[in-house]
Amino acid sequence: DIVMTQSPDSLAVSLGERASINCKSSRSVLYNTNNKNYLAWYQLKPGQPPRLLISWASARESGVPDRFSGSGSGTDFTLTISSLQAEDVAVYYCQQYYSTVPITFGQGTRLEIK
Amino acid sequence: QVQLVQSGAEVKKPGASVRVSCKASAYTSTDYYIHWVRHAPGQGLEWLGWIKPNSGGTNYALNFQGRVTMTTGTSISTIYMELSSLRFDDTAVYYCAGSGGGRLWSGEVYSLDVWGQGTTVTVAS
Repeated sequence: DIVMTQSPDSLAVSLGERASINCKSSRSVLYNTNNKNYLAWYQLKPGQPPRLLISWASARESGVPDRFSGSGSGTDFTLTISSLQAEDVAVYYCQQYYSTVPITFGQGTRLEIK
Repeated sequence: QVQLVQSGAEVKKPGASVRVSCKASAYTSTDYYIHWVRHAPGQGLEWLGWIKPNSGGTNYALNFQGRVTMTTGTSISTIYMELSSLRFDDTAVYYCAGSGGGRLWSGEVYSLDVWGQGTTVTVAS
């Protein structure tokens, strides 16, 4: 299995400040043939299904505010929220879809307002 | 955009089975996959497997092999996930989610871009 490890487990950031969440995979999720990283980020709020924010490590989904960005390649990735808003309070998960035996998620990072 | 609608909440006893349905409004391509992911209280997201409705092909996580079965209904727009030999720690919200896929390798899938609303499964005596 590809193990996904996020850091930190929880994070408190002031409104308007930057929040960064890291994700490390135990093996590279970069497929050299198409030069794509099979890495996604999801946002999970209570009572709602997960929401896809970022695919291919850095491609923002339609409708996702541009304060959300993804970066990284190979085994190390970062989700950045440039200016935290109250509605961004949630748990964030990275996920690899390079190996589907099995697809794996990070353990989640809880983001709160300081 | 595909929309996914799941069946309602279930309460089951330990050792029983549960079947959850997921109805898709449409599929955007023949290389479309329906995944099942669960979220147990206080835990993270856990992937159970996928089914490719167009072919009926499946891929289950090793942790659930022998206990989970994913099938299509009489119409491929309805997907069923059955989990057997239920335990207390199977209590969770179960989601179906859709992804596209490629053909670079067999079973190449993409990120889960559409989700059902979730079905709460409670295992209690």
